[in-house]
Amino acid sequence: NAGVTQTPKFQVLKTGQSMTLQCAQDMNHEYMSWYRQDPGMGLRLIHYSVGAGITDQGEVPNGYNVSRSTTEDFPLRLLSAAPSQTSVYFCASSYSPQGSYEQYFGPGTRLTVT
Amino acid sequence: AQSVAQPEDQVNVAEGNPLTVKCTYSVSGNPYLFWYVQYPNRGLQFLLKYITGDNLVKGSYGFEAEFNKSQTSFHLKKPSALVSDSALYFCAVRDMKGGGSYIPTFGRGTSLIVHP
Repeated sequence: NAGVTQTPKFQVLKTGQSMTLQCAQDMNHEYMSWYRQDPGMGLRLIHYSVGAGITDQGEVPNGYNVSRSTTEDFPLRLLSAAPSQTSVYFCASSYSPQGSYEQYFGPGTRLTVT
Repeated sequence: AQSVAQPEDQVNVAEGNPLTVKCTYSVSGNPYLFWYVQYPNRGLQFLLKYITGDNLVKGSYGFEAEFNKSQTSFHLKKPSALVSDSALYFCAVRDMKGGGSYIPTFGRGTSLIVHP
């Protein structure tokens, strides 16, 4: 199993550009989520999904869109990049959103917006 | 509502000494509690979890954590620290009372530095 994979590893964008961060998992997990990690802020949830076709907003959803057309993939779209979106982005998955299941994290995407 | 606090931004310990990384939580019902570790430039890795049962939980790399319901704490411990344990540690909680949202809440993280 590859686990949770994320592409790209690094990205530099100019203000106003759009892009998609890719996330895929091969563990047949129902639950997938996107976090951003900023110094001193810990992990903040952007969006999550409890299954194909079902998504919902997390703590900091503004400026981001998601979709979940398959169990495996959960891309995160930045609509119009802003310097405030400079961060490290992590995708995570777990077997179920319920119960005691731990999350598996991808290696992260480091995004810089200039 | 659920919340978790890691009161120390940084913990320093000498190699070979015992280490403790603190975590306290607040939930409406009973908690599911987790510890994760993040090494530099890597994603988070699961260390251990408390669901029910024995208050002392053992996990990966020799770490353990003690669930204390009266003090609403779930401190991470290791009897003898290694330099390679230096990393960022996150505590997370999920309220078993869920209420329709199953999302765990993460603490802000504690940087553990083990000195040779």
